[in-house]
Amino acid sequence: DSGVTQTPKHLITATGQRVTLRCSPRSGDLSVYWYQQSLDQGLQFLIQYYNGEERAKGNILERFSAQQFPDLHSELNLSSLELGDSALYFCASSLAPASGIYNEQFFGPGTRLTVL
Amino acid sequence: EDKVVQSPLSLVVHEGDTVTLNCSYEVTNFRSLLWYKQEKKAPTFLFMLTSSGIEKKSGRLSSILDKKELFSILNITATQTGDSAVYLCAGGSGNTGKLIFGQGTTLQVKP
Repeated sequence: DSGVTQTPKHLITATGQRVTLRCSPRSGDLSVYWYQQSLDQGLQFLIQYYNGEERAKGNILERFSAQQFPDLHSELNLSSLELGDSALYFCASSLAPASGIYNEQFFGPGTRLTVL
Repeated sequence: EDKVVQSPLSLVVHEGDTVTLNCSYEVTNFRSLLWYKQEKKAPTFLFMLTSSGIEKKSGRLSSILDKKELFSILNITATQTGDSAVYLCAGGSGNTGKLIFGQGTTLQVKP
């Protein structure tokens, strides 16, 4: 158990809908990363938050957005869902101090999203 | 564009064999190289290699980083069936720590 929690574990929804995935980082970790894992694309970095602020963006669609709250949990919002959005969504956390020396990332169990 | 390439993509060995997994990287503002093991669930952290730690060892697993040639290898000695998994290599970029993952190597260890 990495100490990173994600809910829900599974999500089945229809095209055009909107869903919210939730992540709680390990105790003491300030940085949260979101990744998407699909069969054809592998693990792809989406977005990073550090202590409430967006820090880096990857290949995240405009239909997707995220935020990190004062208690450091994070939510990933996916809207206007398409069949191709079906994937495993992982959250990871690290200590990531502001000095720029970052630590290893620990992954949560993931949310499996199925869009029908 | 940042890129991490792993080889081979899949590997089948028998218990007791030694395996070497390869990872080459081209990552902007490279900071570190990480190895993860994924067994149908979340990736679990194995090693992180940086310029201050280019060789790591834990039990039967070891890894080295060659920053000049831009590659890393993961060695597993005396393999066991429990080592069967997908092994992911990732390059860490810049001050943000975002990871660029390779496609993974699927290792199957037969009894």
